[in-house]
Amino acid sequence: DAGVIQSPRHEVTEMGQEVTLRCKPISGHNSLFWYRQTMMRGLELLIYFNNNVPIDDSGMPEDRFSAKMPNASFSTLKIQPSEPRDSAVYFCASSKQGASEKLFFGSGTQLSVL
Amino acid sequence: AQKITQTQPGMFVQEKEAVTLDCTYDTSDPSYGLFWYKQPSSGEMIFLIYQGSYDQQNATEGRYSLNFQKARKSANLVISASQLGDSAMYFCAMVTPLVFGKGTRLSVIA
Repeated sequence: DAGVIQSPRHEVTEMGQEVTLRCKPISGHNSLFWYRQTMMRGLELLIYFNNNVPIDDSGMPEDRFSAKMPNASFSTLKIQPSEPRDSAVYFCASSKQGASEKLFFGSGTQLSVL
Repeated sequence: AQKITQTQPGMFVQEKEAVTLDCTYDTSDPSYGLFWYKQPSSGEMIFLIYQGSYDQQNATEGRYSLNFQKARKSANLVISASQLGDSAMYFCAMVTPLVFGKGTRLSVIA
């Protein structure tokens, strides 16, 4: 079975540009999570969805960040406009049901904003 | 609010020796779960082991075991017979939802 699939693996963009990160969760998983990892702050939960509905977005840094899950097999995390401080590794993860279960992580997207 | 503390930024261990990675947590919820994840230099996050707050026995998964001391609010990871491939970052995490500690970098020496 395929794991969580994220694209792109690497993204380099200039400040002010829109960035869209994509995630395909494991088939049959009902919960999806977006995390950001930086050296300074470690792994931070940005938002998570249950059955395509956002449950907790309190970790989303500011209005420049938005996440959608239009269906059970696809989610996007958008940053508009991007800033250098957004540079990080962004992970998508999924679980069978809910936030109490084991998470399966994608390979991450390394974002660099110049 | 839930909080995870990993006090060891880095650890060294000799190959074939056992090593303990510390993790303490803070929560007011009576029901919670604790996880350990491994992140090698390639960057992926790999699940290692899970302990539920009501589990009577300490969790074990192959060479990994979790020393769960509820009264002390600690959930230390024990890796037995360390291998060179165990060199990685190790993260302790708590649900719900999953909140991670800062991690411990383990280096296994031949």
